[in-house]
Amino acid sequence: GEDVEQSLFLSVREGDSSVINCTYTDSSSTYLYWYKQEPGAGLQLLTYIFSNMDMKQDQRLTVLLNKKDKHLSLRIADTQTGDSAIYFCAETPFGNEKLTFGTGTRLTIIP
Amino acid sequence: KAGVTQTPRYLIKTRGQQVTLSCSPISGHRSVSWYQQTPGQGLQFLFEYFSETQRNKGNFPGRFSGRQFSNSRSEMNVSTLELGDSALYLCASSLQGGAGGYTFGSGTRLTVV
Repeated sequence: GEDVEQSLFLSVREGDSSVINCTYTDSSSTYLYWYKQEPGAGLQLLTYIFSNMDMKQDQRLTVLLNKKDKHLSLRIADTQTGDSAIYFCAETPFGNEKLTFGTGTRLTIIP
Repeated sequence: KAGVTQTPRYLIKTRGQQVTLSCSPISGHRSVSWYQQTPGQGLQFLFEYFSETQRNKGNFPGRFSGRQFSNSRSEMNVSTLELGDSALYLCASSLQGGAGGYTFGSGTRLTVV
């Protein structure tokens, strides 16, 4: 079955690293995504990883994938006030066009 | 290049009416998907179109329908609106699905009164 879970809230001090976690249940080959949503806006694709990878780094963003535990994390280095948003984890099985989203994690930056 | 364009941005309708939302994908993208976002249910998949054919459908009642035109633009229609249909409706387009990622529009905020 498909289920993607995230914690609802995360507060981080400005300049620290933020780590947002996600677990998924689909056992087939899959793409895993991180999206960012700011108030009143649509979803912005931050990064994605295929399930045969362990890690992907893109500037301040690092994605780690633990396939055994079906655990995905997004690390944001040097968190800034502009990183305040809701972050969604999503998956789609290879060959399927349907995205299954987590509940979203609201990231709050403490000055 | 232009992103995914959704129109209108905001809409207020009365219960029982019907509504049509429009989505223009990124040029060259042939896959268009629709999602409903509500505070209670989160982001839920409605349907996906590719080359004018519906390939995938979510668990929504038949009041929700869509179509895609030969230029890849898509519309979704909701008939006999209910208060619970109030939501942000998001459209996403992709070139080749998973590997390229999905680009979302800013959404249409529908309020049913």
